[in-house]
Amino acid sequence: DTEVTQTPKHLVMGMTNKKSLKCEQHMGHRAMYWYKQKAKKPPELMFVYSYEKLSINESVPSRFSPECPNSSLLNLHLHALQPEDSALYLCASSPGRANYGYTFGSGTRLTVV
Amino acid sequence: SQQGEEDPQALSIQEGENATMNCSYKTSINNLQWYRQNSGRGLVHLILIRSNEREKHSGRLRVTLDTSKKSSSLLITASRAADTASYFCASLSINDYKLSFGAGTTVTVRA
Repeated sequence: DTEVTQTPKHLVMGMTNKKSLKCEQHMGHRAMYWYKQKAKKPPELMFVYSYEKLSINESVPSRFSPECPNSSLLNLHLHALQPEDSALYLCASSPGRANYGYTFGSGTRLTVV
Repeated sequence: SQQGEEDPQALSIQEGENATMNCSYKTSINNLQWYRQNSGRGLVHLILIRSNEREKHSGRLRVTLDTSKKSSSLLITASRAADTASYFCASLSINDYKLSFGAGTTVTVRA
C-alpha cells in the first residue's frame, strides 16, 4: 500500500459545528503532516507529527486540533471555524528521514458556511 | 510558511516541446523537491535533489540545483498533454526540517 487516504473528500460545515478530518497510511512512515492550501496558492505547513508526537505547530489557531492516535492515523479536529478557513486540507507522510519525498493524500476540500 | 518564488507563474507550450521552470528559496536546505498537482488535488512527488548534488535526471525530468544562488530549475522534455498541471518546488530546511513550498508554476500543454 503506497497511498495516503484522506476522508472525507468534501466537507461543508457551519461555524458552530465540530467535525474531524481523517488521514491514514500503511507504509510504515513515521512522520505525518497537515498542510492547508488556498486556491491558486502553495500548500502551507500546519502541523508535523514525528513518531506520534507533535513536533511542529506553525502557530495554527486553536480551533484546529491535531491528533495522532497511532502511527498510521492522523486526525484534524475542527471547531468554530471561520469562512476564511475554507481550503483544501492535505495530509502527507514520509519515512521521517531527511532525503525522502512526501506522499500526499488527495485532500479534503472544506467549505465553512 | 511559503519559502520562495517560482517563475514563470504560468507556461503554455505545444506538445513535444520542453518546459522549464525556476525556483528560488531563502534558507539553507537539506534537499529540494519538486511536486506536481493536478486540478487542486493531492501533490505527487516527482524528484528530490540533495544539497550536495548539482543535477539529477529521472525519465523526462531534469533538475538542477545551485546552492550559491539558492535556486533550482525543473526541465520537462518532450511534453505531453498529461503533463498539464501545477508544479511546485519545495525546500527542506536544514535548520528545522520544515518542507516549504514555492509559489508554483501552472503548465498547460496544448495538443
